Amino acid sequence: EDKVVQSPLSLVVHEGDTVTLNCSYEVTNFRSLLWYKQEKKAPTFLFMLTSSGIEKKSGRLSSILDKKELSSILNITATQTGDSAIYLCAVGNYGGSQGNLIFGKGTKLSVKP
Amino acid sequence: DTAVSQTPKYLVTQMGNDKSIKCEQNLGHDTMYWYKQDSKKFLKIMFSYNNKELIINETVPNRFSPKSPDKAHLNLHINSLELGDSAVYFCASSQVTSVETQYFGPGTRLLVL
Repeated sequence: EDKVVQSPLSLVVHEGDTVTLNCSYEVTNFRSLLWYKQEKKAPTFLFMLTSSGIEKKSGRLSSILDKKELSSILNITATQTGDSAIYLCAVGNYGGSQGNLIFGKGTKLSVKP
Repeated sequence: DTAVSQTPKYLVTQMGNDKSIKCEQNLGHDTMYWYKQDSKKFLKIMFSYNNKELIINETVPNRFSPKSPDKAHLNLHINSLELGDSAVYFCASSQVTSVETQYFGPGTRLLVL
């Protein structure tokens, strides 16, 4: 069965800290890996990764995929209270007539002032 | 303009009732999805429709019946509601060729008493 595992499940840090969130997967017909940020409502897209070893950056956030290790990390530097959210990792696969997204259970990040 | 909209935003109902949640997208996408997010924030796909045809039907009770009157709408009807159905239900849409680029609706928070 396809699965996506995130760690840690929750994390509490102070403003200014750097955090690393992990995502590992066992998915047949891997197509892509995505990171989302979810605050109070719907998940919002952060990154999509398809190639190993190529870092994607957006401000203080960055992410990289390791297809050999079947994993990805999401780094957040100089954290701010506004970074507090649940970070979801999802893997897209080629399934049937179309792909599918398989989500991990998320990492709840709390950034304290 | 809202890209993916859901109604209602909140739904409180008694066990045994039948309820519907509506979803509409104005993005011209050909594929729509329903996800369930439980109290532990685990986001899991329930159904996927492409051009009004059911593509993915994960293991959900047959009390849940999706209906797609046209490409822009995917409604979710739930019969004989149970306590365990309490969750947030998200609708999403994408092009079938780009399953990763899913736009999520704001969610419907369902509480079954």
